[in-house]
Amino acid sequence: KQEVTQIPAALSVPEGENLVLNCSFTDSAIYNLQWFRQDPGKGLTSLLLIQSSQREQTSGRLNASLDKSSGRSTLYIAASQPGDSATYLCAVRKNTGFQKLVFGTGTRLLVSP
Amino acid sequence: GAGVSQSPSNKVTEKGKDVELRCDPISGHTALYWYRQRLGQGLEFLIYFQGNSAPDKSGLPSDRFSAERTGESVSTLTIQRTQQEDSAVYLCASSPGLERDTQYFGPGTRLTVL
Repeated sequence: KQEVTQIPAALSVPEGENLVLNCSFTDSAIYNLQWFRQDPGKGLTSLLLIQSSQREQTSGRLNASLDKSSGRSTLYIAASQPGDSATYLCAVRKNTGFQKLVFGTGTRLLVSP
Repeated sequence: GAGVSQSPSNKVTEKGKDVELRCDPISGHTALYWYRQRLGQGLEFLIYFQGNSAPDKSGLPSDRFSAERTGESVSTLTIQRTQQEDSAVYLCASSPGLERDTQYFGPGTRLTVL
């Protein structure tokens, strides 16, 4: 059974810092991995999607890496801003059978001005 | 265009009552998913609809939970005889077609069972 773990559970940083969020998964047979952002009272917003054949994806100040063999992904946020405050979720999609998403428990990020 | 919408945004009910949660997917999206997010936990998959195919109900936690979808439109998640452990945010998502497509999430319904 696929299990997804995110560390740390919560993180508080001052504005401007670079930071790394971690995601690990137990079954490396994945189709892709996705990072989402969740704001209070709102749904999830997809940030980056990395296919199993890729090593990283970049969008603006965000960079996500994937090491499938070790079951790890990181989300790097450069020059953090108060608007980045949210919960960040990673999810993996398996590559056999019904390709449902399996989510981690999230990292709650607070960026202080 | 309009995103995924869910109603109500909040629902407070008494233990033992039945509740219905509604999801309006993005127009044209054939796939629809329901998830549950309990406090401090990750999203749990509940059920998946794809077009007119039989839904994948493998994530439903008990027979008190059921869901329907009419064609490729609105879906309703029904919880009968609610229990306190049913308290959670229920999220709906839709995608254009294939399971591997990006899912677009609604804002969720926060259910509190007293």
